[in-house]
Amino acid sequence: DAGVIQSPRHEVTEMGQEVTLRCKPISGHNSLFWYRQTMMRGLELLIYFNNNVPIDDSGMPEDRFSAKMPNASFSTLKIQPSEPRDSAVYFCASRASGIPYNEQFFGPGTRLTVL
Amino acid sequence: GNSVTQMEGPVTLSEEAFLTINCTYTATGYPSLFWYVQYPGEGLQLLLKATKADDKGSNKGFEATYRKETTSFHLEKGSVQVSDSAVYFCALNTGFQKLVFGTGTRLLVSP
Repeated sequence: DAGVIQSPRHEVTEMGQEVTLRCKPISGHNSLFWYRQTMMRGLELLIYFNNNVPIDDSGMPEDRFSAKMPNASFSTLKIQPSEPRDSAVYFCASRASGIPYNEQFFGPGTRLTVL
Repeated sequence: GNSVTQMEGPVTLSEEAFLTINCTYTATGYPSLFWYVQYPGEGLQLLLKATKADDKGSNKGFEATYRKETTSFHLEKGSVQVSDSAVYFCALNTGFQKLVFGTGTRLLVSP
């Protein structure tokens, strides 16, 4: 079975540019999570969706960040405009909701560098 | 609120040494507890989990026991290998909600 798929794996962009990160969750999983990982802050939950609906976006750092889940098999995280402090590894994870206490499955991450 | 506290790293060991990484938690209700591992350049992978008090999770030689009385879920391995070098995250889940992660503990194993 394919795991969580993220693209691109690496992204280098210049300050002010728009960045779009993509995620395909595991088929059949109803919950999707976006995380950011940096040396300074560790692993932070940005937003999560249940059945394509955003449930908690309190971790989204500011209005420059937005996330969508137009259908059960695809989600995007957009940063516009990007800033150097957005440089981090962004992870997507999915989970089969409806089953309590079960684990999340993580994708390989997208390493973002904003110059 | 719910929180997880892990020991600061890095933990540096020689191959075949005994490993303990401490994890304590604060939670409302009765959480499930998890250990995730992150190898260099990769995403997090579930290592083991326990869903109720006194449960022992185990995988790949690693073990952790859910101790309700001490609110702990310490990770142990009897004999570490160089390939165990990674960052280990303790986490909890109180049901249908999001996972709450600790800050991670880096393990470095030398030959």
